[in-house]
Amino acid sequence: DIQMTQSPSSVSASVGDRVSITCRASQDISRWLAWYQQKPGQVPNLLIYAASTLQNGVPSRFSGSGSGTEFTLTITSLQPEDLATYYCQQENSFPLTFGGGTKVEIK
Amino acid sequence: QITLKESGPTLVKPTQTLTLTCTFSGFSLSTRGVGVGWFRQPPGKALEWLAITYYNGDIRYSPSLRSRLTITRDTSRNQVVLTVTNMDPGDTATYYCAREPYTDHGQHYFDYWGQGTLVTVSS
Repeated sequence: DIQMTQSPSSVSASVGDRVSITCRASQDISRWLAWYQQKPGQVPNLLIYAASTLQNGVPSRFSGSGSGTEFTLTITSLQPEDLATYYCQQENSFPLTFGGGTKVEIK
Repeated sequence: QITLKESGPTLVKPTQTLTLTCTFSGFSLSTRGVGVGWFRQPPGKALEWLAITYYNGDIRYSPSLRSRLTITRDTSRNQVVLTVTNMDPGDTATYYCAREPYTDHGQHYFDYWGQGTLVTVSS
């Protein structure tokens, strides 16, 4: 199985700050990585797929980068509605696996 | 408009079999490349992928749960059913179904999710 490791596990930032979350894969997954946002009490919502492709309707302050084993989700200007836990998921092969999540809190 | 909705029991006893149904609309499981998968999320924990069935009948399971899972589909009724045998309190979680769209390169991600259903395992 491909292990996905996210860091940090939580981050607290102010509105307007730039926030970056890292996801590392235990083996090369090319660019096959997705990011999901899960707001408290809500369903996971696809933000980005293929490492950097923004899903329709997702604000442009979200961006993704990386390839191989290291990936980054960046929120360029944190908004109050971005309070959520963010998960990465490798799209490359079965079994599909998720990272442990990064909780983003607003100071 | 694409929607998915999970249904099934909210409480099961240890050793019982859980049967969950995902009823979807707005897309067809006969469309090339499309799949419907199942996931779970224990309270306060991360997401876990369980199983998926595809437009062509292909099925994949999580190896760690393979012996306990069965996924079936009824294309005419737009439903996908997941059964989990020998339920244990450690299986307490919110269970989700989600759609995998057609992808150019055969990668696997999920663009529409059901609302989820919390299943508690307790005697």
